[in-house]
Amino acid sequence: DTAVSQTPKYLVTQMGNDKSIKCEQNLGHDTMYWYKQDSKKFLKIMFSYNNKELIINETVPNRFSPKSPDKAHLNLHINSLELGDSAVYFCASSQGYPTSRYNEQFFGPGTRLTVL
Amino acid sequence: GIQVEQSPPDLILQEGANSTLRCNFSDSVNNLQWFHQNPWGQLINLFYIPSGTKQNGRLSATTVATERYSLLYISSSQTTDSGVYFCAVERTGSARQLTFGSGTQLTVLP
Repeated sequence: DTAVSQTPKYLVTQMGNDKSIKCEQNLGHDTMYWYKQDSKKFLKIMFSYNNKELIINETVPNRFSPKSPDKAHLNLHINSLELGDSAVYFCASSQGYPTSRYNEQFFGPGTRLTVL
Repeated sequence: GIQVEQSPPDLILQEGANSTLRCNFSDSVNNLQWFHQNPWGQLINLFYIPSGTKQNGRLSATTVATERYSLLYISSSQTTDSGVYFCAVERTGSARQLTFGSGTQLTVLP
């Protein structure tokens, strides 16, 4: 299936630990994103990568670091996890120019992170 | 940044009823998408509709970009339509950054 996939789906960890979430898309898209959905279901962009280069970095703590080894992958590393990091993290991708729907975004299934 | 307001915040319907969800935004956009977040948390693309009208089965959407609003119509609702409906916009010049509204929680009763 062509899609955006994320692993793991659930992540439960202790405060202070370091964890990673992986994202892969096989849609041939050139831009990938990370969004955070809080407990009130509000979705907010965290990062965007275009052709392995960071193009958006919202006011996210520097404990969060995205890494893009290639166009199809965008991983999210989180250091020194805090209780407030508990949320659902969504990866997304979009196709890019010169297609007409270059900025239409498609989302992965989400990773529910719980910090204890 | 751009403001995105969705209404109503909550909607309860009987199966078979029709509904209209609204999304207002405060600036010019070059992308507007409607998503359905199902009870399992998955975000499903419904429409890519920066302007104009589109239909897909029982769902249709209209965006009037000059007046800065979009409407999502659901006809003959089914229990599987339950979930949260999000409108998300990309402000012109914002480098593909989607700003989401707070969503409409739809519950369809059998």
